[in-house]
Amino acid sequence: KAGVTQTPRYLIKTRGQQVTLSCSPISGHRSVSWYQQTPGQGLQFLFEYFSETQRNKGNFPGRFSGRQFSNSRSEMNVSTLELGDSALYLCASSLVQTNRGGEQFFGPGTRLTVL
Amino acid sequence: AQSVTQLDSHVSVSEGTPVLLRCNYSSSYSPSLFWYVQHPNKGLQLLLKYTSAATLVKGINGFEAEFKKSETSFHLTKPSAHMSDAAEYFCVVTLLNQAGTALIFGKGTTLSVSS
Repeated sequence: KAGVTQTPRYLIKTRGQQVTLSCSPISGHRSVSWYQQTPGQGLQFLFEYFSETQRNKGNFPGRFSGRQFSNSRSEMNVSTLELGDSALYLCASSLVQTNRGGEQFFGPGTRLTVL
Repeated sequence: AQSVTQLDSHVSVSEGTPVLLRCNYSSSYSPSLFWYVQHPNKGLQLLLKYTSAATLVKGINGFEAEFKKSETSFHLTKPSAHMSDAAEYFCVVTLLNQAGTALIFGKGTTLSVSS
């Protein structure tokens, strides 16, 4: 069974631009969660989607948004990029929602660099 | 509020010696606890999880962790380190808020293994 895939793997943008990252979950998984990983803040939860609905959201500004499609694929969008948005963005999929104790399987991440 | 503290940012051991990675948590309810491992340029992988069943949890690659409620600890151990164990390890607790449930990651412990 194929794992979680994220595209693109690397991305370079400039301040003020916007970016869209994509995540394809493991087949059959309906929950997709997004995380930001930086050396200073570590791994921080962004949001979780299940059955095309956002189920939970972390403490990030409204510039960070996401959506999930009917095939469970998910996209994350960051508008008006700032230098501090440079990070590794990780996507994780699960059969069930996090509150049901579902094991999360992580993708390799997208490395975003903002210049 | 729920939180997790990894007591050591870096642990160095020799191959064949025991590994101890320490984690303390804070939770106002019975939490689910996890240990994840992240190898360089690879995605996060679940090592083991505690969800209120047996307090001694066995995971993959010979790792195990013991849930001690009285000490609010969930330390990760392995009897004999292998070179391939060198990686970053994350202790994770579930966070329950009004919006739902999310995973809260510790800052991570880098494990170095020397020959």
